Amino acid sequence: DTGVSQDPRHKITKRGQNVTFRCDPISEHNRLYWYRQTLGQGPEFLTYFQNEAQLEKSRLLSDRFSAERPKGSFSTLEIQRTEQGDSAMYLCASAPPGRLRGQFFGPGTRLTVL
Amino acid sequence: AQKVTQAQTEISVVEKEDVTLDCVYETRDTTYYLFWYKQPPSGELVFLIRRNSFDEQNEISGRYSWNFQKSTSSFNFTITASQVVDSAVYFCALSATGANSKLTFGKGITLSVRP
Repeated sequence: DTGVSQDPRHKITKRGQNVTFRCDPISEHNRLYWYRQTLGQGPEFLTYFQNEAQLEKSRLLSDRFSAERPKGSFSTLEIQRTEQGDSAMYLCASAPPGRLRGQFFGPGTRLTVL
Repeated sequence: AQKVTQAQTEISVVEKEDVTLDCVYETRDTTYYLFWYKQPPSGELVFLIRRNSFDEQNEISGRYSWNFQKSTSSFNFTITASQVVDSAVYFCALSATGANSKLTFGKGITLSVRP
């Protein structure tokens, strides 16, 4: 059983550059979540997809952030014009349909903005 | 609004000691789920348990046990006979029971188990 995978695992970029992260959920999981975790804090919800529909976005998700899940399988999270405050671990999680059984997290993408 | 408070920030114990990690939550929902996740140094969050608000039975899984008390809005986690491999950051989380079911996490407790 393959878990959630994320790519890249680490990304270093300069302020003002655009970055894109990819998440591949567990097969047949129709729910997909993005979270952001900064040092010493718990993960914070960013956005949620059910199949290809983006059903909720947090106020944390400024207009520089956009997420897609075009065919209801993998998802991408893009940050435009990165700022130093965007430095964080970006976590993807997926969950199966039906009764909630808990979200299964990927290893995360650690973003450092210089 | 939902909130999870993990008042303990760091705990250090010697191997084989028992340790309890506290979690207090706030929610206006009448039905909800509570979770514990473990985040080892590798960084990946590992799901440990999910508890439905209707079910206040305590649960034991090997050296792990959970005490859910709705009256005090607490969902505490005990590790019996701790081991070095238990060293990690432990997060308590809360979600509503709707389709979205996003998780609200506490700040986490860093547990260090010394040999």
